[in-house]
Amino acid sequence: DTEVTQTPKHLVMGMTNKKSLKCEQHMGHRAMYWYKQKAKKPPELMFVYSYEKLSINESVPSRFSPECPNSSLLNLHLHALQPEDSALYLCASSQGQGKYGYTFGSGTRLTVV
Amino acid sequence: GESVGLHLPTLSVQEGDNSIINCAYSNSASDYFIWYKQESGKGPQFIIDIRSNMDKRQGQRVTVLLNKTVKHLSLQIAATQPGDSAVYFCAENISGGSNYKLTFGKGTLLTVNP
Repeated sequence: DTEVTQTPKHLVMGMTNKKSLKCEQHMGHRAMYWYKQKAKKPPELMFVYSYEKLSINESVPSRFSPECPNSSLLNLHLHALQPEDSALYLCASSQGQGKYGYTFGSGTRLTVV
Repeated sequence: GESVGLHLPTLSVQEGDNSIINCAYSNSASDYFIWYKQESGKGPQFIIDIRSNMDKRQGQRVTVLLNKTVKHLSLQIAATQPGDSAVYFCAENISGGSNYKLTFGKGTLLTVNP
């Protein structure tokens, strides 16, 4: 298995809702990432998990809460989002520990109404 | 082929021509670079990578050149095909202890005319 799988592919949520995005990989990668991508812009790093511990938080608002239950899974919990948070949310994984090879999922298209 | 920098976000070529997409990266400590292709509605797709101890790497129809002196990266696509139409991003990897992250450049929209 050489893929990063993200669910759901599309999500529409209200500003008072709580939802979660899920990401899964079975390549044995020990680093996992969340990126946010607005239209016609490059992906922007949000969080990095290394060996299931949060190692980088790029000053992301607390309405985004990441979780790494185990080495294969990465969640992004969403609460009280704003319309400007609408974007494509991408998950990626890499071998970690200075080793290379980043693999991206297809993303979740999030719309906040 | 025609070269564009990050401040010229579009490149239009004829099918069969060679394409050159350029990228200026920011951090002299970056140790690994990747070119990604992204089609509409999809995640970034790996094309080719290069480590900082190399200056050239070739793949199938693609070549990446790295000039660390001027912090410049380029992607050359030979015999460009309509299926190559997409946005192309360069990305630089910075490693530090147990932390490493991949940062993307602005991207170039490549349009291949049949």
